[in-house]
Amino acid sequence: GQNIDQPTEMTATEGAIVQINCTYQTSGFNGLFWYQQHAGEAPTFLSYNVLDGLEEKGRFSSFLSRSKGYSYLLLKELQMKDSASYLCAVEGFQKLVFGTGTRLLVSP
Amino acid sequence: KAGVTQTPRYLIKTRGQQVTLSCSPISGHRSVSWYQQTPGQGLQFLFEYFSETQRNKGNFPGRFSGRQFSNSRSEMNVSTLELGDSALYLCASSLESPPRNTEAFFGQGTRLTVV
Repeated sequence: GQNIDQPTEMTATEGAIVQINCTYQTSGFNGLFWYQQHAGEAPTFLSYNVLDGLEEKGRFSSFLSRSKGYSYLLLKELQMKDSASYLCAVEGFQKLVFGTGTRLLVSP
Repeated sequence: KAGVTQTPRYLIKTRGQQVTLSCSPISGHRSVSWYQQTPGQGLQFLFEYFSETQRNKGNFPGRFSGRQFSNSRSEMNVSTLELGDSALYLCASSLESPPRNTEAFFGQGTRLTVV
């Protein structure tokens, strides 16, 4: 079966750091994606992890532990425009399975 | 280059009707996946097509079907619409079929409302 868990909602203040966790149990694992989706818009790609460890890309970093079925997305120096939903997605056997997403609210 | 184009953007249908949604992938992309997004369920995988063949299918009833043409454009069809089919339908295109190491690019979606 496929099960991907993320917190439903998180809040943080501008300039802070926030970590969004994702745990998964899937049949087959080829990689893990993080997408950002602003309200009313299409999801856009943020990061991809296939090996254990941390991938850094500017203010965003993503970590993966395959043995623990765990990933997190780290957002630094938060900006108001970072208010969005963040979707964790696992590529299993021939399909990409998404979590329900974490809605992040950034306040001044 | 042009992104993923989905038409129409908005659609209102009555229960029992059928609907066809269209997705034009990024030029050169051969894989097209369809997702249904609702507030409570998140993105649910419908099916994926690669080179005109359905490679995988999610857990949706047979009322949901799709196809892909030789130019990689894809359509999905929902017959005998139910109120619960109201959702945002997203199409994503990518170069390859899973497993892959490149991201999928999403269209803006079609917002379907069934009344």
